[in-house]
Amino acid sequence: GENVEQHPSTLSVQEGDSAVIKCTYSDSASNYFPWYKQELGKGPQLIIDIRSNVGEKKDQRIAVTLNKTAKHFSLHITETQPEDSAVYFCAASNGGGEYGNKLVFGAGTILRVKS
Amino acid sequence: GAVVSQHPSRVICKSGTSVKIECRSLDFQATTMFWYRQFPKQSLMLMATSNEGSKATYEQGVEKDKFLINHASLTLSTLTVTSAHPEDSSFYICSAHDRGYEQYFGPGTRLTVT
Repeated sequence: GENVEQHPSTLSVQEGDSAVIKCTYSDSASNYFPWYKQELGKGPQLIIDIRSNVGEKKDQRIAVTLNKTAKHFSLHITETQPEDSAVYFCAASNGGGEYGNKLVFGAGTILRVKS
Repeated sequence: GAVVSQHPSRVICKSGTSVKIECRSLDFQATTMFWYRQFPKQSLMLMATSNEGSKATYEQGVEKDKFLINHASLTLSTLTVTSAHPEDSSFYICSAHDRGYEQYFGPGTRLTVT
């Protein structure tokens, strides 16, 4: 089955700096890679996702890159702000179709943005 | 759009009792709903997948007789923790899927068994 590894486990950056979180996956059939932000006591919130037919996707300060050959994808947050502090999870699935395919999550990264 | 609600947000129950958690997709029809459990400072662990009108598919190691899942309509799935014990205390989160790739998560239910 799929296995997703995520690094680093914790990341501290100064406000305004960039943050990068990396994930690797094992199943070459995986074709959908979402990133979730989870604040304390809340459910995960989808912040950006990418499908395997695209190498990069950007949404304002957030971008995701995908390297299918190496089986890794990364989350990039630029101009970090204190409100970006949260736990970030990457995930992978063989998604799409009538019935959703299950997500396999990484272990999570605690991001702390220091002001 | 794509809002998923859970009820209750928090529940405390005594050991041996049963607790029901509801998951609703508010503005779309969910062909599939997923139930996750999350222990403190850990990732989400998938417990089961439920498709409307059919039996749930449980992940290895999850007791289906203890965690009863009912997906009676395209907007509602319920998880019942039967004969709860302190080790069942956790954060339970559901997600709902329409026909695309995305899964949308509910806000979670904090279960404490005393």
